[in-house]
Amino acid sequence: RKEVEQDPGPFNVPEGATVAFNCTYSNSASQSFFWYRQDCRKEPKLLMSVYSSGNEDGRFTAQLNRASQYISLLIRDSKLSDSATYLCVVTPPLSYIPTFGRGTSLIVHP
Amino acid sequence: DAGITQSPRHKVTETGTPVTLRCHQTENHRYMYWYRQDPGHGLRLIHYSYGVKDTDKGEVSDGYSVSRSKTEDFLLTLESATSSQTSVYFCAISELEGNQPQHFGDGTRLSIL
Repeated sequence: RKEVEQDPGPFNVPEGATVAFNCTYSNSASQSFFWYRQDCRKEPKLLMSVYSSGNEDGRFTAQLNRASQYISLLIRDSKLSDSATYLCVVTPPLSYIPTFGRGTSLIVHP
Repeated sequence: DAGITQSPRHKVTETGTPVTLRCHQTENHRYMYWYRQDPGHGLRLIHYSYGVKDTDKGEVSDGYSVSRSKTEDFLLTLESATSSQTSVYFCAISELEGNQPQHFGDGTRLSIL
């Protein structure tokens, strides 16, 4: 099993839709979790951290499920500008080397 | 945005030539990383640094070397570039061990002909 796995997609959704991505991780002791957004030919940019209690930022909600070892990202009221690749990042315990998923592609169409 | 500058932004060179990429940060962060990103592979760690003159290998370090003589600069060198090293290279920095997110530079597009 890969350390961090994501469905590559693409997820094609209309504007205004709600879409959710999951990311599974293999090391149950992992302690830091993040979602990044990457636009085509650009650098990854931090979207949000994922806390045990969940995290919400406007239309975006991130959650952690330790029992099932996955994190999720929910996007409500999708905008055309949300089209991008979303990377999940998990850091094992006692490490400063994060593990990146390969990303999930989202395409929001009119 | 985090103060990270990568140079050059684009480079085209020939097989067998040496190439050095520079990452410069103004954040005084301890940890610095070099990644390459290729279609179908995602981000792969080449080398990283946990302090001045303290570096270690990542998962794809063959053919690459690094140096960090100052906190703010992390250099990636391809001693003899090969076509397989054509890629987009990203530098990243972070402040603390694992618990803080990384921030990335704009990337360097390197083509080896």
